Amino acid sequence: EAQVTQNPRYLITVTGKKLTVTCSQNMNHEYMSWYRQDPGLGLRQIYYSMNVEVTDKGDVPEGYKVSRKEKRNFPLILESPSPNQTSLYFCASSSNLRNRGGGYTFGSGTRLTVV
Amino acid sequence: KQEVTQIPAALSVPEGENLVLNCSFTDSAIYNLQWFRQDPGKGLTSLLLIQSSQREQTSGRLNASLDKSSGRSTLYIAASQPGDSATYLCAVKAGANSKLTFGKGITLSVRP
Repeated sequence: EAQVTQNPRYLITVTGKKLTVTCSQNMNHEYMSWYRQDPGLGLRQIYYSMNVEVTDKGDVPEGYKVSRKEKRNFPLILESPSPNQTSLYFCASSSNLRNRGGGYTFGSGTRLTVV
Repeated sequence: KQEVTQIPAALSVPEGENLVLNCSFTDSAIYNLQWFRQDPGKGLTSLLLIQSSQREQTSGRLNASLDKSSGRSTLYIAASQPGDSATYLCAVKAGANSKLTFGKGITLSVRP
């Protein structure tokens, strides 16, 4: 089944404790992205990657890091989490090839709480 | 800067009604438009994807239309059911390697 897999689904952590949220896709998509969703603010892009070893900032990158060492994986790293990073996070992937349509596939989400 | 608007923010209808959800966007130079469904606290499920060259797409009871020149898309749901209750999000993509710009969504409640 074509899918984007995120782990963990739920995470409660303390301020300043480094954490990583993993993301993997099995569709050989070139483009991967992280979004956060907050009430009243909607979905906002954090970071994206157009292919292996190519990453760039989205709209709200402060406090986050990413890496793209393999095509299928795109982990989100919070080096020193703070309470304002409490949110619902989504990983997504898409092909940038015209003949593959370019639609996005989203993971099931990670509910992060920073106390 | 692309802006996507979905009005109203919430909608309540009786079961069986046919309904239309609206989406408008400010920049007509889009690559594609995608409609998603989101259940509370859950992930986004893609419903329909419309390429910039297309006018509509259909899947079961759902039909989405696209009018690029006027910056509008509609999602038509036929014979609504309580199981259709969810938030419906519209999102546009500017180019092949572009992010999705989302509307805030319409929260639909279908009453039995």
